[in-house]
Amino acid sequence: KAGVTQTPRYLIKTRGQQVTLSCSPISGHRSVSWYQQTPGQGLQFLFEYFSETQRNKGNFPGRFSGRQFSNSRSEMNVSTLELGDSALYLCASSLAPDFGYEQYFGPGTRLTVT
Amino acid sequence: DQQVKQNSPSLSVQEGRISILNCDYTNSMFDYFLWYKKYPAEGPTFLISISSIKDKNEDGRFTVFLNKSAKHLSLHIVPSQPGDSAVYFCAASASRGNTPLVFGKGTRLSVIA
Repeated sequence: KAGVTQTPRYLIKTRGQQVTLSCSPISGHRSVSWYQQTPGQGLQFLFEYFSETQRNKGNFPGRFSGRQFSNSRSEMNVSTLELGDSALYLCASSLAPDFGYEQYFGPGTRLTVT
Repeated sequence: DQQVKQNSPSLSVQEGRISILNCDYTNSMFDYFLWYKKYPAEGPTFLISISSIKDKNEDGRFTVFLNKSAKHLSLHIVPSQPGDSAVYFCAASASRGNTPLVFGKGTRLSVIA
């Protein structure tokens, strides 16, 4: 079956702009998590959605937001972009809202803020 | 404050030998641990996990050891193969997996033929 897909794969934005990233989970998976990966900080948890509800949120400013649709697809939005937001944004899906379950990651969206 | 630490940013190993990747954690509430492998331009893929009720879990060439008293876990790959060259992330969760994963910064493994 198809894996987790993320669009776009690459994005270049200017400081102050906003951006929306999209994630389509594996069919049947209802839990979607988002992570930010930077060289200095590794993978950091952003938020997790299950059945359209945010269940967990990481330690990121309110400029980072997300949502999940009824078909389990998820989007994350970053407003008022800063240079430090340049990173690889990874989406992961799993069957259940339990991090003990195996999470399947997408290839990520590489965001560059100039 | 880094709760999961992978102190070796990189490791080089000869093909056929054992690769040992280490991970330390500080949060005593962590009770579930996972290893992920990441190739360039791909997302991480799950490798192996271990619950705190065990001290060892084996899956083919991959074995994870957990030393709770030392708050230390390690991933052993035997024998190492060139295809194992990737970045390996250690991750931990509390409440038997009910809290978000906390990742280490990763160790880049290079297996030399």
